[in-house]
Amino acid sequence: EVQLVESGGGLVQPGGSLRLSCAASGFTFSSYEMNWVRQAPGKGLEWVSYISSSGSTIYYADSVKGRFTISRDNAKNSLYLQMNSLRAEDTAVYYCARVVVVVAPNMDVWGKGTTVTVSS
Amino acid sequence: QSALTQPASVSGSPGQSITISCTGTSSDVGGYNYVSWYQQHPGKAPKLMIYDVSNRPSGVSNRFSGSKSGNTASLTISGLQAEDEADYYCSSYTSSSSWVFGGGTKLTVL
Repeated sequence: EVQLVESGGGLVQPGGSLRLSCAASGFTFSSYEMNWVRQAPGKGLEWVSYISSSGSTIYYADSVKGRFTISRDNAKNSLYLQMNSLRAEDTAVYYCARVVVVVAPNMDVWGKGTTVTVSS
Repeated sequence: QSALTQPASVSGSPGQSITISCTGTSSDVGGYNYVSWYQQHPGKAPKLMIYDVSNRPSGVSNRFSGSKSGNTASLTISGLQAEDEADYYCSSYTSSSSWVFGGGTKLTVL
């Protein structure tokens, strides 16, 4: 079964740091590009970051650029999101999603998410 | 990159058809066939329902269809069922190598 499982969320103070992980199984992780997408409480989806299959190409949303770092370890079938200088507005459920390209890149498999709460 | 524009809510009775619109710009929706649609039930992860404007992933009911005209994409659900009640999000890959989502539409099955 194709599966993504996020972990590492929790309560952190403003200005603090957190590292999210996403464990992949059931598919050849190293062949796929990956995304992080977040959803603030009661709000819509927001794309956060992208990483290519090799890790050589990375993109960030303007809202997290300079504060968040995406990375992956293909040997461990794992995706990561290092989040620094956290703000209240970073409070959200964070999803990792597999990217598959037919014509366009689309997110065809999603994890269940991990919750990050930034509050003092 | 501004969010795509969706109606906040739509509703329909079982068996009816509804359409959800998604308006963007020439840099996203209008510029490419890169529109996808996601269904999200409360407390659950999003599920891909339509990709590349009008294609259905394996396992998605053919009651779901997508289209696009100019800067506006649409998701149509025919033969509405109670299980279709959920939030629906459109998304587009953009010319700046990023993804933009719509604000979401809450579908209520009356």
